Amino acid sequence: NAGVTQTPKFQVLKTGQSMTLQCAQDMNHEYMSWYRQDPGMGLRLIHYSVGAGITDQGEVPNGYNVSRSTTEDFPLRLLSAAPSQTSVYFCASSYSTSLGEDTQYFGPGTRLTVL
Amino acid sequence: AQKVTQAQTEISVVEKEDVTLDCVYETRDTTYYLFWYKQPPSGELVFLIRRNSFDEQNEISGRYSWNFQKSTSSFNFTITASQVVDSAVYFCALSEAGQAGTALIFGKGTTLSVSS
Repeated sequence: NAGVTQTPKFQVLKTGQSMTLQCAQDMNHEYMSWYRQDPGMGLRLIHYSVGAGITDQGEVPNGYNVSRSTTEDFPLRLLSAAPSQTSVYFCASSYSTSLGEDTQYFGPGTRLTVL
Repeated sequence: AQKVTQAQTEISVVEKEDVTLDCVYETRDTTYYLFWYKQPPSGELVFLIRRNSFDEQNEISGRYSWNFQKSTSSFNFTITASQVVDSAVYFCALSEAGQAGTALIFGKGTTLSVSS
């Protein structure tokens, strides 16, 4: 298993450009999430999904869209990039067990710079 | 509201010293989960431990140990005989019941530097 993969690893955008950060997992996990990490802020939840076709907002959803058409993929879209979206983005996945939801495992991250 | 506080922003120790990273949490839920993750200089997030709110038993894994105390809302992490490879940012995180797989509340992290 490749686990959670994210592409690209690095990206530079100009203000106003759009792009999609890709996240895929091959573990058949039901749950997937996107977080952003800013210096001194820890990680903050952007959006999450509990299954194909189901998404919900986290703490900082503004400026981002998500969709989940398959179990494997959970792309994060920036429709009009702003310098405030300069950050490191992490995707995570997890699954449910008889004891409840399992631990989240994270992808390697995408470092995004918006000029 | 849920909150995780890691009051220590940076800690520097010399190899072989013991070091404790503090984590204090706030939640109104009676069932919740606590986590520690490690982020080495390479940037990935590595899961270290998960603890359920109804299990206050302390955990030891090699040089790592965790002390969970509901009475003080703390979940502290101790590294015994620290090594240079322990240098990383350590995050404590909290989730409500039913959200451990989707929504974690992270502390701001503690940067640990271990020198030889």
